[in-house]
Amino acid sequence: EPEVTQTPSHQVTQMGQEVILRCVPISNHLYFYWYRQILGQKVEFLVSFYNNEISEKSEIFDDQFSVERPDGSNFTLKIRSTKLEDSAMYFCASSAPGDRNQPQHFGDGTRLSIL
Amino acid sequence: AQSVAQPEDQVNVAEGNPLTVKCTYSVSGNPYLFWYVQYPNRGLQFLLKYITGDNLVKGSYGFEAEFNKSQTSFHLKKPSALVSDSALYFCAVRDGIRSSASKIIFGSGTRLSIRP
Repeated sequence: EPEVTQTPSHQVTQMGQEVILRCVPISNHLYFYWYRQILGQKVEFLVSFYNNEISEKSEIFDDQFSVERPDGSNFTLKIRSTKLEDSAMYFCASSAPGDRNQPQHFGDGTRLSIL
Repeated sequence: AQSVAQPEDQVNVAEGNPLTVKCTYSVSGNPYLFWYVQYPNRGLQFLLKYITGDNLVKGSYGFEAEFNKSQTSFHLKKPSALVSDSALYFCAVRDGIRSSASKIIFGSGTRLSIRP
């Protein structure tokens, strides 16, 4: 069964550094998402992406965050200048055409640790 | 605004017994409801969804959920629990307002623990 894959599984970065989290969504999917889960807390929406542009973003997704689909297969999340509070699990998800009726399929996440 | 509530942080069940994980929702418009399961160090796995139709929906691993419009509930159930069902379960609602790339709003999660 096709899967969403995320790399790396664990990223350790110094505060203030830039970090790029990578995702390869399921190949025929058109809708892409990033969520995060701070340890012990609920899963929170960050951003959705369709047709090469952001569809919606949350309050968390400020100017330090950006997303890109550089080559038709990868979907990346960049944090320009990381803060301690960015430490979390970051999940990428994708869904098939038909969107609202389709479940979102999640990767296994990248654990981001900011020192 | 769309929201879901999972009133129980933890549910403990003996293996072989039926299990129920509770969820209530608040939506404007038609609800698009989902259950996901998260195993340790893994992402969220889709279990089942309710969009329209039968109030009882069946999903993966023998799970089912009952949509109850009058009680605004979408409880997850399984007739006979397995130790391998132990995991974190999330109820979720799809933002039905947007026509595309609509986000999922998750509940706080319920940790299900099945004892042998």
